[in-house]
Amino acid sequence: EPEVTQTPSHQVTQMGQEVILRCVPISNHLYFYWYRQILGQKVEFLVSFYNNEISEKSEIFDDQFSVERPDGSNFTLKIRSTKLEDSAMYFCASSDSGEQYFGPGTRLTVT
Amino acid sequence: KQEVTQIPAALSVPEGENLVLNCSFTDSAIYNLQWFRQDPGKGLTSLLLIQSSQREQTSGRLNASLDKSSGRSTLYIAASQPGDSATYLCARGVWGNKLVFGAGTILRVKS
Repeated sequence: EPEVTQTPSHQVTQMGQEVILRCVPISNHLYFYWYRQILGQKVEFLVSFYNNEISEKSEIFDDQFSVERPDGSNFTLKIRSTKLEDSAMYFCASSDSGEQYFGPGTRLTVT
Repeated sequence: KQEVTQIPAALSVPEGENLVLNCSFTDSAIYNLQWFRQDPGKGLTSLLLIQSSQREQTSGRLNASLDKSSGRSTLYIAASQPGDSATYLCARGVWGNKLVFGAGTILRVKS
């Protein structure tokens, strides 16, 4: 069964460093998303991406964040200068316009 | 503001019991309603998707209903098993396809 994959599973970085989180969505899906979940809190929407451009972004998704689909299979989230409060589980999801399928997540720890 | 509330926050039941998890949302402009399961430290597994034009969906021992007029959805789990122990998340889909999540119900099924 097709699934969304994410790498790495755990990333530790120092404050101020850049990180790139990678996702491979389900191959025939057209809509891509990033969400995050801070420990003990709700899952929060960050950004949606369709037709090679951002379709919607939340207040959290400020200039420090960017997304890219560099080729036909990968979807990346870049955080340019990480802060302590960026520590969270980051989930990638994809859909073909209906049900969203989530990846296993990348746990980002900023020290 | 697009709030999603889940009641109860936690539930502990003996094996074999039928149970109901509740989800309520403000704003009846809903695109769809999706129920997920999350195991500790893991990703989100989609259980059921109900489109705004539907009243309910069933998958095995799970049944989810949607009442847009009252802003409520319920997830019914029949004959609960210890393997059902997890956090159950409700998420409403809004126009643009982003999901707005509730805080979840932590379910423990005792053998």
